[in-house]
Amino acid sequence: NAGVTQTPKFRVLKTGQSMTLLCAQDMNHEYMYWYRQDPGMGLRLIHYSVGEGTTAKGEVPDGYNVSRLKKQNFLLGLESAAPSQTSVYFCASSYSLRLATYEQYFGPGTRLTVT
Amino acid sequence: GIQVEQSPPDLILQEGANSTLRCNFSDSVNNLQWFHQNPWGQLINLFYIPSGTKQNGRLSATTVATERYSLLYISSSQTTDSGVYFCAVYNFNKFYFGSGTKLNVKP
Repeated sequence: NAGVTQTPKFRVLKTGQSMTLLCAQDMNHEYMYWYRQDPGMGLRLIHYSVGEGTTAKGEVPDGYNVSRLKKQNFLLGLESAAPSQTSVYFCASSYSLRLATYEQYFGPGTRLTVT
Repeated sequence: GIQVEQSPPDLILQEGANSTLRCNFSDSVNNLQWFHQNPWGQLINLFYIPSGTKQNGRLSATTVATERYSLLYISSSQTTDSGVYFCAVYNFNKFYFGSGTKLNVKP
């Protein structure tokens, strides 16, 4: 049981390049989330999904797109990276129908630097 | 959205001391979690505690949902307790995080 995994762990991009971050969970959770954390700051919600095929905007969605084609995967895309998107990105999942709990679990994070 | 305030923002303890961290929230919530972010950046689940009291070793937590606050108690602190402690509340499909309490336990 791997929990929540994220790929890649580290990435350096040049301004204007694009990339996709992959999040996978094996807990059969309904909900998935992408957050960013800047140095010395808390977590800010980028986008989230409450089920396969659904997505919704969070607090800081500009410059990002997401897709949830399969229940276990949640992809975060940066179409044209900017230095302001340098951050640590965390994926999380929650809501087990079977256990009737909303407990949230986090992945290990992806450290992204945009030069 | 729901406002979540954590106090104190910073805390320095000598190893072996006890501490209480507080989380206040502005509206009714369905659930509440405490996390520890260790110095390597990992977010570790401590408690899932929508109401009541739970204990896990030297840590315990109490949530009084009707009064909109939760407390995290750390007893006999150790250097490995250092890091940032976040409170997160859940409502309407989203989690709202506080700014965290940064704890430094000195040997």
